[in-house]
Amino acid sequence: RKEVEQDPGPFNVPEGATVAFNCTYSNSASQSFFWYRQDCRKEPKLLMSVYSSGNEDGRFTAQLNRASQYISLLIRDSKLSDSATYLCVVILTDYKLSFGAGTTVTVRA
Amino acid sequence: DAMVIQNPRYQVTQFGKPVTLSCSQTLNHNVMYWYQQKSSQAPKLLFHYYDKDFNNEADTPDNFQSRRPNTSFCFLDIRSPGLGDAAMYLCATSSHIAGAYEQYFGPGTRLTVT
Repeated sequence: RKEVEQDPGPFNVPEGATVAFNCTYSNSASQSFFWYRQDCRKEPKLLMSVYSSGNEDGRFTAQLNRASQYISLLIRDSKLSDSATYLCVVILTDYKLSFGAGTTVTVRA
Repeated sequence: DAMVIQNPRYQVTQFGKPVTLSCSQTLNHNVMYWYQQKSSQAPKLLFHYYDKDFNNEADTPDNFQSRRPNTSFCFLDIRSPGLGDAAMYLCATSSHIAGAYEQYFGPGTRLTVT
């Protein structure tokens, strides 16, 4: 079983829509999680950290469900600029991260 | 601006011809990483340095080597590139002060093997 699994999508949504997707992780001892955004042929960039019960940053909300071992990302009022691949990242040890393969979101006009 | 810089951005090499990719950082982070990412796949950790300590992933081929001569620079050497080594190579850094484990990535070097 992979350490981090994501639905690859693509999620194709109209502007203004809400889109949400999950990421599951296999190591129940994992403590910290991130969502990274990666645009086509560019490097990953930190979108937000997910600690304890989750957090919100503007139109983006991340939730953590420890019992079921998944985190989620919700994007409200989608913009064209939100089109990207969203990578779920789990901290395995103090300084090693495990990446999911990403969920692709396409926002259409 | 403090950042992670990778050179070159695009590298074309011939099958079997050694190539070196470079990474530098102005963040003064103590940990540096090299990842390989192929299309539609997750970044795959090749190795990392915690300060001067080198840590190789178990499944990283011997064909891949790394050097970190000082805090700011890290190099990835591919001794005999094969067609399967064509990928984006990402350098990342992190600092673990106050439990901050976020990694900051350079723009990557896209390697083509002909």
